[in-house]
Amino acid sequence: GAVVSQHPSWVICKSGTSVKIECRSLDFQATTMFWYRQFPKQSLMLMATSNEGSKATYEQGVEKDKFLINHASLTLSTLTVTSAHPEDSSFYICSASPEAKNIQYFGAGTRLSVL
Amino acid sequence: KQEVTQIPAALSVPEGENLVLNCSFTDSAIYNLQWFRQDPGKGLTSLLLIQSSQREQTSGRLNASLDKSSGRSTLYIAASQPGDSATYLCAVSGNQFYFGTGTSLTVIP
Repeated sequence: GAVVSQHPSWVICKSGTSVKIECRSLDFQATTMFWYRQFPKQSLMLMATSNEGSKATYEQGVEKDKFLINHASLTLSTLTVTSAHPEDSSFYICSASPEAKNIQYFGAGTRLSVL
Repeated sequence: KQEVTQIPAALSVPEGENLVLNCSFTDSAIYNLQWFRQDPGKGLTSLLLIQSSQREQTSGRLNASLDKSSGRSTLYIAASQPGDSATYLCAVSGNQFYFGTGTSLTVIP
């Protein structure tokens, strides 16, 4: 089956630093990738949708200058949390969708803790 | 905007019991519906995918049904085991992916 790798699985950083999270589709080309955020005991909230080679589309209320998304190839998208603060601590999950298929394959998630 | 609701929010059952988790959605114009399992602090594991033209899907002790016209799906778990304890999420695919609020299941040995 389709595999999506997300790295790192857990990161701790100091307030004010930037953190990059990678999302890779290992055995298929992902024309679209999605980034979600999940708060404790809550469901997933879509942050942004990225298409290869174009700018990401951010959901309302998500700061695009804080959460930088790059989808440079058909197998890789990155989310950079810039100038992280404790309130950015959360579980971030990516997913990838093959072309012309309304199916998303999910990564294992990244737990970000900002001290 | 699509809204996905899951009832109950939490469920606790003794081992061996059969159980049903419910998912409802407000817009029937969907491509498919997926059920996921999420263990604490972990990512999502896809359990079953039902295309909009299908009525149900089965995998082992799991059976998921879809009634698109009424905006409902159920996940049936037979002979529950302690290892089934997790949060179960349903998600519908339309213009984008919409997740339900989740059901936290505890199976008591």
